[in-house]
Amino acid sequence: GQQVMQIPQYQHVQEGEDFTTYCNSSTTLSNIQWYKQRPGGHPVFLIQLVKSGEVKKQKRLTFQFGEAKKNSSLHITATQTTDVGTYFCAGYTGNQFYFGTGTSLTVIP
Amino acid sequence: NAGVTQTPKFRILKIGQSMTLQCTQDMNHNYMYWYRQDPGMGLKLIYYSVGAGITDKGEVPNGYNVSRSTTEDFPLRLELAAPSQTSVYFCASIPSGTDIQYFGAGTRLSVL
Repeated sequence: GQQVMQIPQYQHVQEGEDFTTYCNSSTTLSNIQWYKQRPGGHPVFLIQLVKSGEVKKQKRLTFQFGEAKKNSSLHITATQTTDVGTYFCAGYTGNQFYFGTGTSLTVIP
Repeated sequence: NAGVTQTPKFRILKIGQSMTLQCTQDMNHNYMYWYRQDPGMGLKLIYYSVGAGITDKGEVPNGYNVSRSTTEDFPLRLELAAPSQTSVYFCASIPSGTDIQYFGAGTRLSVL
């Protein structure tokens, strides 16, 4: 069946360091989305990538979608304590979303 | 929560009991989803609906049932609760013309 793997599972960084999480699907996706979930909260939509090779930026966040539409990454430049949370990718295919296992980011002040 | 309301927020069930998790949205969204999230894991799709009267199974439907009699409501039913159903349940809906999911605050369920 469809699988979406995400690495690393956990990441601890000093404030100001960069952070990257990677997402890999077993099959080609129609699009991929990224969500952020704060501890005890619900997932909040960050961005959607649709086109092969697409790159989008939101301030310090850079999102990429692979050429084969099977992998994606989220990079945060100069992390801040407000970036703390778990970041999930979600691949969309066949009316269904398949979430990665998430990367939990801890930022040490 | 962009208008997606889930009730209850917390619930403890005994093995074999049944309950209904409620999800309602007032944004006239056609697509609605139910997920479960186990500790330290991603979200797994239980059931989804593309409109009133239409439902379909996701990755992990066993032990659950849904109905969609109106556009607003998408309740999730547990008939015979089992400890394996201890989880956080999230409902989400999608506006027409987009794929952006808006999530409710979740229901934390423990089955003991």
